[in-house]
Amino acid sequence: AQSVTQPDIHITVSEGASLELRCNYSYGATPYLFWYVQSPGQGLQLLLKYFSGDTLVQGIKGFEAEFKRSQSSFNLRKPSVHWSDAAEYFCAVGRYNFNKFYFGSGTKLNVKP
Amino acid sequence: EAQVTQNPRYLITVTGKKLTVTCSQNMNHEYMSWYRQDPGLGLRQIYYSMNVEVTDKGDVPEGYKVSRKEKRNFPLILESPSPNQTSLYFCASSLSRTGTQETQYFGPGTRLLVL
Repeated sequence: AQSVTQPDIHITVSEGASLELRCNYSYGATPYLFWYVQSPGQGLQLLLKYFSGDTLVQGIKGFEAEFKRSQSSFNLRKPSVHWSDAAEYFCAVGRYNFNKFYFGSGTKLNVKP
Repeated sequence: EAQVTQNPRYLITVTGKKLTVTCSQNMNHEYMSWYRQDPGLGLRQIYYSMNVEVTDKGDVPEGYKVSRKEKRNFPLILESPSPNQTSLYFCASSLSRTGTQETQYFGPGTRLLVL
């Protein structure tokens, strides 16, 4: 069965500090990988996605993520966090020729002033 | 404006009383999907549809029904709601029928409480 693991339920960082949110997936072949952000009371917005090619992908709001096949990981990073980045972040996985979609349990980011 | 709309946004109901949550998109998307979001579980896919009259089960379809009679609409039906269906529901759509390869656009969510 497919699974997407986000091991950190809550993370707190200071404004201006760097951020890394972890995501691991279980799937034999190369998946389609996504990071979404959910601000309080809002729907989900795509930050970035990876399908193939360069394993370091750039997204909106200064986020980037790196696909590491050997570790089955797709970690999200930002070099300098802003207070407006406080939200919940979801990693998600799709598969070629398979129409189900799987989300991780989410990581809530708190930003200290 | 390109968007996915859901109605109602908030709903309180009682056990066993049939309800429908509507979802509509104005982007001519092929793929549509319903998710429920529960604390600590993230989003779980309930049903999805690759095109008109083509629907299939996601990971948690029990207690739900869907239909896709028109491309733009994908209602979620709870024939006999139970308290364990209390949740936050999201509808999403993406451009082509192979929806898991593409960006999904999410509606604002429907918060359902079943008493």
